[in-house]
Amino acid sequence: AQTVTQSQPEMSVQEAETVTLSCTYDTSESNYYLFWYKQPPSRQMILVIRQEAYKQQNATENRFSVNFQKAAKSFSLKISDSQLGDTAMYFCAFLPWGKLQFGAGTQVVVTP
Amino acid sequence: DGGITQSPKYLFRKEGQNVTLSCEQNLNHDAMYWYRQDPGQGLRLIYYSQIVNDFQKGDIAEGYSVSREKKESFPLTVTSAQKNPTAFYLCASSPPPGQGTGTEAFFGQGTRLTVV
Repeated sequence: AQTVTQSQPEMSVQEAETVTLSCTYDTSESNYYLFWYKQPPSRQMILVIRQEAYKQQNATENRFSVNFQKAAKSFSLKISDSQLGDTAMYFCAFLPWGKLQFGAGTQVVVTP
Repeated sequence: DGGITQSPKYLFRKEGQNVTLSCEQNLNHDAMYWYRQDPGQGLRLIYYSQIVNDFQKGDIAEGYSVSREKKESFPLTVTSAQKNPTAFYLCASSPPPGQGTGTEAFFGQGTRLTVV
């Protein structure tokens, strides 16, 4: 069964605009971590942002922010002021005790 | 510097052969993972281990085997039973959730396996 769902296979955004990627997950656990990873063409996995489930405050990292809705099991990523270097595959990941699982990914294309 | 090292970067295998992909970490992480990534696809979990001498099957374990004899090492063997092994393989490690705000998964550079 799919535990982490990313429903948008591809998103296109113009430079300087904002794009929001969706992610939902399924769990009965109360303590876990959520992540967004970026994978550019080099295939290196790069951590974009991290959220701890017991923290109500949404995480932010510069132009990246999340909207974490624990009750709805939703974890969306907002990229503000998009730059050409943001073009990459973005993966949502869920880490309860021991089993790190990923969504299918969303390809983000930033156009000039 | 601490990190995860995967080797080799590229690997070619003849049909019917077993091959072993190496993954070593010096981050003192308890948990280690192997993922398979096909072109344009997400990361599918093959095996994971939370502690030495213990490991669990992921979603696509058939045709693969692992061992965890040392905390630092988690090699993956792709056996001849794996019908379509050509893919990109990623190894990762992480500390247990709850070990402070530094929890994240660290990844190796990956191994590209091609059956010839």
